[in-house]
Amino acid sequence: GQQVMQIPQYQHVQEGEDFTTYCNSSTTLSNIQWYKQRPGGHPVFLIQLVKSGEVKKQKRLTFQFGEAKKNSSLHITATQTTDVGTYFCATTRGSQGNLIFGKGTKLSVKP
Amino acid sequence: SQTIHQWPATLVQPVGSPLSLECTVEGTSNPNLYWYRQAAGRGLQLLFYSVGIGQISSEVPQNLSASRPQDRQFILSSKKLLLSDSGFYLCAWSIRGTGNTIYFGEGSWLTVV
Repeated sequence: GQQVMQIPQYQHVQEGEDFTTYCNSSTTLSNIQWYKQRPGGHPVFLIQLVKSGEVKKQKRLTFQFGEAKKNSSLHITATQTTDVGTYFCATTRGSQGNLIFGKGTKLSVKP
Repeated sequence: SQTIHQWPATLVQPVGSPLSLECTVEGTSNPNLYWYRQAAGRGLQLLFYSVGIGQISSEVPQNLSASRPQDRQFILSSKKLLLSDSGFYLCAWSIRGTGNTIYFGEGSWLTVV
C-alpha cells in the first residue's frame, strides 16, 4: 500500500538554527498534510498541499510539495523552543481516503 | 464550532482485563471517525475508521474492536488486554469525504501491566 517515508527520525538543533524534515513516496501523492504534535499532546493540523510544486508559508514555516508530487518538505527558519515536537506528514490512501501518516520527525531545540 | 471529547485520559489496566475508550464529537453531523494508536516514540497507526453508524472498518488484525452506536460516538474496546496494547490512543474525526483534515482528540494513555 501507499506509504510515506519521513526523515530524519530525530533532529536536535540549537535555538536559532534552521530545521527541515522530508517526506518521500515512491508513488504520486494526491495531497500532503502536515501535523505537529507537542510533547504529551495530540497531533494538530498545520497545512495541506495539493498542487505540483506548491509552496506555502506560515510565519517561519515553509511547506513544499515536489514537482512530481512524490515528496514534500517542511522547513523552519530560526527555530525557537516553541517549535519542539514531532512533525508528521500524511497522505490520502485508498477509496475511503483515509490518511496514512509518516513516522514523524521529532525536533528538539536547545536554548 | 466542532469539538471532540475522549475519555478516560489515562488508565492502567492489568493484562487480561477489558477495555473501553469512548469518544464523542459535537458540532458536526455524519463525520468520519477514526481510532489511531501511537506506540511510545513511534508514528500513528490507523486502527479503525467508520463512515456511519454501525459501519466499522479495521485496518489491522488485533484483539481490539470498535463500535459506533450513534452518529457522533465511537468506542474502542477489548475483551482481554495484552501488554502490547499499551500506547497512546487517539480518536479523530473528519468531515465526510476523502483527503480532509483530521481533528484529533486529546488522547488516552493506556498502560497494560
